[in-house]
Amino acid sequence: EVQLVESGGGLVQPGGSLRLSCAGSGFTFSSSNMNWVRQAPGKGLEWISYISGSSSSIYQADSVKGRFTISRDNSKNSLFLQMNSLRAEDTAVYYCARATLAAFDYWGQGTLVTVTS
Amino acid sequence: QSALTQPASVSGSPGQSITISCTGTSSDVGGFNYVSWYQQRPGKAPKLMIYDVTKRPSGVSDRFSGSKSSNTASLTISGLQPEDEAGYYCTSYTSRSTWVFGGGTKLTVL
Repeated sequence: EVQLVESGGGLVQPGGSLRLSCAGSGFTFSSSNMNWVRQAPGKGLEWISYISGSSSSIYQADSVKGRFTISRDNSKNSLFLQMNSLRAEDTAVYYCARATLAAFDYWGQGTLVTVTS
Repeated sequence: QSALTQPASVSGSPGQSITISCTGTSSDVGGFNYVSWYQQRPGKAPKLMIYDVTKRPSGVSDRFSGSKSSNTASLTISGLQPEDEAGYYCTSYTSRSTWVFGGGTKLTVL
C-alpha cells in the first residue's frame, strides 16, 4: 500500500524557517517524481514544487521561488521542503504528492504550517 | 501563472448529472492533454479522480468522466449520489513545466 506521511509543520514567526519531511513507503520511491502542494485555510490547492526521482529536474511556483527548496534522500525514501523567509501568506496545510507523469496519484495527510507573530 | 477558472459551486439532485468546467489558456489546458481532477472532502487529502483529461484511475466509479475542448476541460458526474458531495479541483500541466490548479468547485447534492 502506498503511503506518504508528512511531518515538520508547526508555528513559526514571520521571517523564520521550517523544514518539512515526507516519508514514502509501499512503492519505489527513487523512481517516483514528487511534489509539494499547499492549501491555505478555507482556500484552494496551490502547487508549489516538483522534483524528479533522480533530483535532476526541479521546478517551483513563482510564489516560493528563492525562499523554498525541495530536495530528497532516496536512501531514506524521504522528500523535504526547506522553507525560509516565511510570510503570513505561507500559512497552509502542506501536502506531499506522488506524480504519475502529469497527475498526482497519491497524497499524504498533510502537515499544518502557521506563520504568525 | 493565473489559476484555472472553475465555478465556485454547482448542485444537483440524486440521480442527475452535473458538469464542472475548468478554463485555462493555450499555455496550459489547451496546450497539453494533462488535465486532472481531484475530489476533496472536508479535512481530507485530495483524491485523484481523472487524469490525462479522460482517464480514470483504478477504483474510481465510471460515473466520473472527463473531456476537453480547446482551453476548457470538464468533469461530468452522472447518477449523482450523496457521497459525491465534496470539493472538486482541476489542474493542468503548463508550458513552464509547472502545474496550475483551478480555484475549486463545491458540489452540493440536494
